[in-house]
Amino acid sequence: EAGVAQSPRYKIIEKRQSVAFWCNPISGHATLYWYQQILGQGPKLLIQFQNNGVVDDSQLPKDRFSAERLKGVDSTLKIQPAKLEDSAVYLCASRDFGDGYTFGSGTRLTVV
Amino acid sequence: QKEVEQNSGPLSVPEGAIASLNCTYSDRGSQSFFWYRQYSGKSPELIMFIYSNGDKEDGRFTAQLNKASQYVSLLIRDSQPSDSATYLCAVNERGNQFYFGTGTSLTVIP
Repeated sequence: EAGVAQSPRYKIIEKRQSVAFWCNPISGHATLYWYQQILGQGPKLLIQFQNNGVVDDSQLPKDRFSAERLKGVDSTLKIQPAKLEDSAVYLCASRDFGDGYTFGSGTRLTVV
Repeated sequence: QKEVEQNSGPLSVPEGAIASLNCTYSDRGSQSFFWYRQYSGKSPELIMFIYSNGDKEDGRFTAQLNKASQYVSLLIRDSQPSDSATYLCAVNERGNQFYFGTGTSLTVIP
């Protein structure tokens, strides 16, 4: 089966600019997650979707981050405006019931 | 207290030795436990998961779970240089929330 697709792989932006990331999960996986992984740390959950509904967004900085999964398949994560501390790898993962996550290759964001 | 705690390492073992990685968690209601391997610059990849107390073996890897003591460990037998990576422990708590530890860096010395 095809894996979790993410794009772009790399992005460099200036602070206060906006950026968007895209994710297409494994076909049939209802649960989709966005994680932020800062260098040297474990992944931190930003938002969890079940189909097109939000299950958990308690750690999403809602003043600048937004995410949607309108048709219950692919998803976008947006940051507007970006801050220096947003520099990280943004990982998308999907999950079938009872299994562990399958991660995409991630988007490495550098804010300068 | 962090939800999931791991020693950051680095942990160094000689080739052929057993590497032991440990993880503790805070929520007694946690239901499932996962070990991921992450090579530098790559995404985490699932090694194995365990739900029940005791040991679960998969090739050179053995996961051990002790719910009473709230710890889960990963043993890697016959360690190879290709096992050098960061190992992330993830815990599926009640409410279907996953928490990751900060990872343990393992280096296998040839």
